[in-house]
Amino acid sequence: QVQLQESGPGLVKPSGTLSLTCAVSGGSISSSNWWSWVRQPPGKGLEWIGEIYHSGSTNYNPSLKSRVTISVDKSKNQFSLKLSSVTAADTAVYYCARDSEDDSSGMDVWGQGTTVTVSS
Amino acid sequence: SSELTQDPAVSVALGQTVRITCQGDSLRSYYASWYQQKPGQAPVLVIYGKNNRPSGIPDRFSGSSSGNTASLTITGAQAEDEADYYCNSRDSSGNLWVFGGGTKLTVL
Repeated sequence: QVQLQESGPGLVKPSGTLSLTCAVSGGSISSSNWWSWVRQPPGKGLEWIGEIYHSGSTNYNPSLKSRVTISVDKSKNQFSLKLSSVTAADTAVYYCARDSEDDSSGMDVWGQGTTVTVSS
Repeated sequence: SSELTQDPAVSVALGQTVRITCQGDSLRSYYASWYQQKPGQAPVLVIYGKNNRPSGIPDRFSGSSSGNTASLTITGAQAEDEADYYCNSRDSSGNLWVFGGGTKLTVL
């Protein structure tokens, strides 16, 4: 079955850019699914960051849109997140997830999550 | 509106039935999905659509919806059901996802 694995630096300096990648295994990123990024600050709830389709179409959370870029690399079967101008408020566990095939039935596959700390 | 509202905490006696609710305008147009998250783990989808369970989810989990409110019901709660539960749905535009703030379920 499809598995997702996040990777990237665990520590980012304030004002820098957070960069993460989600590798898709057991399936194709070119399937009929959107692919999402979700984050969870320590002790807080889940926040959707944005999503991408294999065509490159994207949707972003309006609260983060000015700082977020999500891209896809079909040759590597992975998608990526870049979040610029980070502050301590961006410290969180970052998850990648697969949107359900009908696009409105939730996120049915999740990565294990990766912790990113913003600190100097 | 792009918000989903959940009660912060709910408790249930072992073996009893508990309902966790989620309110929001988008739920008039879209079904809620429900996730279970245990400490240190990724969320797990437990209910989606009208009332569907992914493979491996016990049938004591069920979902329902009425107007702007979606509910997750656990019939015969077990100790292992103690977790945080989140609802989410597409927003009213259909282009964005929104999550509820989460409900911490305690099984007494």
